[in-house]
Amino acid sequence: GENVEQHPSTLSVQEGDSAVIKCTYSDSASNYFPWYKQELGKGPQLIIDIRSNVGEKKDQRIAVTLNKTAKHFSLHITETQPEDSAVYFCAAFMFSGGYNKLIFGAGTRLAVHP
Amino acid sequence: EPEVTQTPSHQVTQMGQEVILRCVPISNHLYFYWYRQILGQKVEFLVSFYNNEISEKSEIFDDQFSVERPDGSNFTLKIRSTKLEDSAMYFCATGQGATDTQYFGPGTRLTVL
Repeated sequence: GENVEQHPSTLSVQEGDSAVIKCTYSDSASNYFPWYKQELGKGPQLIIDIRSNVGEKKDQRIAVTLNKTAKHFSLHITETQPEDSAVYFCAAFMFSGGYNKLIFGAGTRLAVHP
Repeated sequence: EPEVTQTPSHQVTQMGQEVILRCVPISNHLYFYWYRQILGQKVEFLVSFYNNEISEKSEIFDDQFSVERPDGSNFTLKIRSTKLEDSAMYFCATGQGATDTQYFGPGTRLTVL
């Protein structure tokens, strides 16, 4: 069935270090992969996304890479800051019959220590 | 910047009672979704809605759940007879097109006692 695996479940880094979160997906028809940041008590906020016709996308300190052959994609955060501390979710679009739904990974709790 | 809004932020109800959760989508969005997040778990798809009808629903979305857009602006999720296991955060999301980014609201925390 449709599934997105996300690792690690928790990640602790020192301020200024890089953080990498990895996801794999099961449906080869997936063509869109967003990353969401969820702070305590809030809804998921889109931070970056990538479509299947692109291998890498960067937005300031955040980058996402996609390997369609291996069916995995990763989030890279450089020069981490304490305000980056949150739960990060990867997701894959399952597009079927003209409509779509997001399948989420289990989340990674990132803690950035000053 | 336009955003999705949801009311109430927190709903406490007794088991067996009906609840209605409300969402106001971003104004030019045509695709609407409900997701659920049980405490500490992943966000799960419930239902997608377009052109005043359900386009897809998950196995979680059983006969106790319904959605509608009664007045052309609000998008609602109704749970007819709540169960303890319905306790969760419920997120509304909206998108401009079928394959466009989905933007999430802040969520409604539903607590069933």
